[in-house]
Amino acid sequence: EAQVTQNPRYLITVTGKKLTVTCSQNMNHEYMSWYRQDPGLGLRQIYYSMNVEVTDKGDVPEGYKVSRKEKRNFPLILESPSPNQTSLYFCASRASGGPYEQYFGPGTRLTVT
Amino acid sequence: AQKVTQAQTEISVVEKEDVTLDCVYETRDTTYYLFWYKQPPSGELVFLIRRNSFDEQNEISGRYSWNFQKSTSSFNFTITASQVVDSAVYFCALTPNAGGTSYGKLTFGQGTILTVHP
Repeated sequence: EAQVTQNPRYLITVTGKKLTVTCSQNMNHEYMSWYRQDPGLGLRQIYYSMNVEVTDKGDVPEGYKVSRKEKRNFPLILESPSPNQTSLYFCASRASGGPYEQYFGPGTRLTVT
Repeated sequence: AQKVTQAQTEISVVEKEDVTLDCVYETRDTTYYLFWYKQPPSGELVFLIRRNSFDEQNEISGRYSWNFQKSTSSFNFTITASQVVDSAVYFCALTPNAGGTSYGKLTFGQGTILTVHP
């Protein structure tokens, strides 16, 4: 089954404790992206990657890191999480060659206390 | 920079009513794509439609229809004879075509919460 998976689905952590949210897709998509969803703000793009080893900032990259060492994986790293990073996070992927629709993972709800 | 505005924060209707969700966008790119996504209470994001800026034809899919007007930078979504299962948050989104000023960036609107009462 074609899908985007994220882990963990729920995470409660404390300020400053480094964490990684994993994202994996099995559709051989070149393009992957991370978003955060906050009430009243919709979804905002954090980082995106056009292909392996090619990443770029979205609209809200501060406080986040990403890496793309393999085509299928695109982890999101919070080196020193803060309470304002409490949010619902989505990973997405799509095929290259055009801005086709993106396939989204199920979401990760992160709470930073 | 690109921007998508969904001015309607929440809409409440009774089943079988028609409802239109508004989407207005801003972009400096001459070619771009527009999307609508649905987020039901379960939380996942479901793709509904993609529209190329070259194609201003309206589209109908069952009870759903979309009206794209480049002259007013709008891409509105209408649900005919709404049903309780249509209750969800709906997002409009915009991305430039290849070669655009921010290719790869997908900008979402704030979302419209639609509640359909039985």
